[in-house]
Parts: sequence; structure tokens; C-alpha cells
Amino acid sequence: DGGITQSPKYLFRKEGQNVTLSCEQNLNHDAMYWYRQDPGQGLRLIYYSQIVNDFQKGDIAEGYSVSREKKESFPLTVTSAQKNPTAFYLCASSPRTSGWGGSTDTQYFGPGTRLTVL
Amino acid sequence: AQKITQTQPGMFVQEKEAVTLDCTYDTSDPSYGLFWYKQPSSGEMIFLIYQGSYDQQNATEGRYSLNFQKARKSANLVISASQLGDSAMYFCAMILTGGGNKLTFGTGTQLKVEL
Repeated sequence: DGGITQSPKYLFRKEGQNVTLSCEQNLNHDAMYWYRQDPGQGLRLIYYSQIVNDFQKGDIAEGYSVSREKKESFPLTVTSAQKNPTAFYLCASSPRTSGWGGSTDTQYFGPGTRLTVL
Repeated sequence: AQKITQTQPGMFVQEKEAVTLDCTYDTSDPSYGLFWYKQPSSGEMIFLIYQGSYDQQNATEGRYSLNFQKARKSANLVISASQLGDSAMYFCAMILTGGGNKLTFGTGTQLKVEL
């Protein structure tokens, strides 16, 4: 069964701690993304990766880091530098990035991780 | 800069009726893609339908259709024969050429289907 998995579903962090959110896909998609959603709002892009060993900052990258060592995996680390990390985090992937908004740019999402800072 | 506007924070529809969710967008780029996603209370974002800026025909996927009016810069989602399971948050989103494949989202419309 192809899809995107995220773990854990719920995550609690103490202030000052780094935490890593997992994202794995078995869709053979080239591109992967991390978004953040705050209550009552749409999604905002944190980081994205179009190819292994390469990634770019999105709109709200400060306080976050990522790696893309394998095509299937794109973990997100929320560092202690992120001032307000409590949010819902969604990982997505797309077959490729055409660069012009084509159908192969369609992003498919995982079930999300809800992070709460205690 | 690109922008997506969804002016209906909440909508009610009776079961089996059709409903239209509004979406307008703002871009000067001729190449873009428009997407609709459904977000149930569980949180996952479910892809519903895609419309390319150069597509001549409106997109359809089962009970979902996209009323694409390019000159008015609108991309409204039409759900026919509403079901109770359609109750969810619906987001309109756009990708621009050269935008790094970033999805720009609207603020969403909460749809409630009633008996």
C-alpha cells in the first residue's frame, strides 16, 4: 500500500529540547515538503526538497532543520530556537517538480504530527 | 505576490444537495496550478482535484468539479449530492511557475452537511 507515513502522531516537548519528526514515503516521489498549520489557518511551507541531498528553505524555516539522505525519507527537526513550535506538522510529497504548476506537481500529504510544547 | 482568498469561513448544506465553495486567486503569472484539498477533523489533507491554468475544460473528479473562470480569477469547488462524510475543512491552493513548487493556501471553508 503506497503512501506517506508520519510519526509520531502526537509529540510533547519540553522547552529547550530538540525533537525530530519522521516522514517516509513509498510512492517513489522525487519531491518532499514540510508544512506547519496553526489553528484556524492554512498551511505554511517550512522546507522542501526536490532531490536527495538537496533542500531549500520555505517561508518559515527559522528554528527548523531537515535532511534528505534517502529519497524515501525527509525528517524535520524542531530546534530550541523555534520560539513557538506548538502546531500541527504535515509532510507531503509530489511525483516531481515541473516548475510550472502541472499535474505532476500535485502534493500528497501524510496524516500529520501534532507537536505540543509543555 | 500570489494570494488565495476564500471568503466563506463556514457553510451549511443539506444532504444530497449541491454546494459551491468559493476561491479567488491573484497572480500575474500565466502558468499556475490550482488545487482543492479536504481536511477532516483527523487532520490529514486529502487531495481532491487539480486545474491547470492552460486547461481548456473544467476539471471533474467524481462528485467534485472545479468551476474555473480564468478571466475572473476564480476556481470554485462544486460538490454534488453532498454526503455526511463531506463535512470537513476545504482548502484552495495554488502553485506558481518557478515558485519552488510551494503550495499557497487559502484560509479554508468549514463545510457542515446536515440531514
